[in-house]
Amino acid sequence: KQEVTQIPAALSVPEGENLVLNCSFTDSAIYNLQWFRQDPGKGLTSLLLIQSSQREQTSGRLNASLDKSSGRSTLYIAASQPGDSATYLCAVRLNQAGTALIFGKGTTLSVSS
Amino acid sequence: DAGVIQSPRHEVTEMGQEVTLRCKPISGHDYLFWYRQTMMRGLELLIYFNNNVPIDDSGMPEDRFSAKMPNASFSTLKIQPSEPRDSAVYFCASSLGGGGTEAFFGQGTRLTVV
Repeated sequence: KQEVTQIPAALSVPEGENLVLNCSFTDSAIYNLQWFRQDPGKGLTSLLLIQSSQREQTSGRLNASLDKSSGRSTLYIAASQPGDSATYLCAVRLNQAGTALIFGKGTTLSVSS
Repeated sequence: DAGVIQSPRHEVTEMGQEVTLRCKPISGHDYLFWYRQTMMRGLELLIYFNNNVPIDDSGMPEDRFSAKMPNASFSTLKIQPSEPRDSAVYFCASSLGGGGTEAFFGQGTRLTVV
């Protein structure tokens, strides 16, 4: 059974710092991996989608990497800002078209000014 | 497109009452997913549909839960009778095509059963 783990559960950093959020999954046979952001009381906003054949994806200050063989993904946030404060979730889709996402429990990030 | 639309945003009901949550997926999307989020268990898949047909309902907790998708633009999740342990945020998501595409989530329905 695929399990997704995110460490740390919470992270506090000062504004301007570069940071890395970690995601690991137990079964390397994934179809793709998606990073989401969730603000308190809100829905999920998709940040980046990495296909299993890709190594990384970039969007603005965000860079996500994928190492399927080791079952790991990282989300790198450059020059963090208070507006980046949110919970970041990673989710994997199994190696089968159309299956649903399996989520980690997220990392709650707090960026202080 | 307005994105995935869920209603109501908040629902407070008494134990034993029937609750119906509604979802309108993004137009043209052929996959629809229902998730439940709690502090203890995080986000869990309840059921998903492809072209209005339920594909996997193994996450539906018990017979009190049922979901339908009568057409491509509407789905419901019903709980009857509701219990306090059903209190959670319920999310609907949709995607176009198979597993290679992004899933887009609605704002969720916060359900409180007292």
